[in-house]
Amino acid sequence: AQRVTQPEKLLSVFKGAPVELKCNYSYSGSPELFWYVQYSRQRLQLLLRHISRESIKGFTADLNKGETSFHLKKPFAQEEDSAMYYCALSSWTGFQKLVFGTGTRLLVSP
Amino acid sequence: EAQVTQNPRYLITVTGKKLTVTCSQNMNHEYMSWYRQDPGLGLRQIYYSMNVEVTDKGDVPEGYKVSRKEKRNFPLILESPSPNQTSLYFCASNPTGGTYEQYFGPGTRLTVT
Repeated sequence: AQRVTQPEKLLSVFKGAPVELKCNYSYSGSPELFWYVQYSRQRLQLLLRHISRESIKGFTADLNKGETSFHLKKPFAQEEDSAMYYCALSSWTGFQKLVFGTGTRLLVSP
Repeated sequence: EAQVTQNPRYLITVTGKKLTVTCSQNMNHEYMSWYRQDPGLGLRQIYYSMNVEVTDKGDVPEGYKVSRKEKRNFPLILESPSPNQTSLYFCASNPTGGTYEQYFGPGTRLTVT
């Protein structure tokens, strides 16, 4: 079964500190993984996807198939990064389906 | 502007009173979904639709109905709401094929008393 695990409900850091939001997945096929972000009072939006191998707002995420992980990282957190972050897995079961983790709230303090 | 809209944004109702939450997208997407978001549980898919007149159950479909008579609209129907359906609901859409990015609506906060 497809599953996405985000072990931390809350991650609290100070401005300028490095951030790593953990995501582990379980999937028997070749996964497509995403990070979605939800800022306060805003809709959920795509942050980045593993196939793009891009850096968005200073965030990067590398797919590690050996460890089945897709951790989100940023070297220097900013206050505006405070938000809810969801890791998601795209699986194929006759149709494409997104499976979300339970989310991690990132709080960046001044 | 390309977007997904939901109405109403906030709704307080009583147990058993039928309600409908509308969802509309203007991006000509084939695929639409409904999710509920609950603390500690993340987003869980309720129903999805692959195209007009094609719908199927997601992970938590009990107590909900949907219809897809037009490509742009995907209403969520609660025939007899119960307090355990108090939640934040999101509609989403995406085109089929290719990378699977979903576009989300602003959410509907439903309270059932």
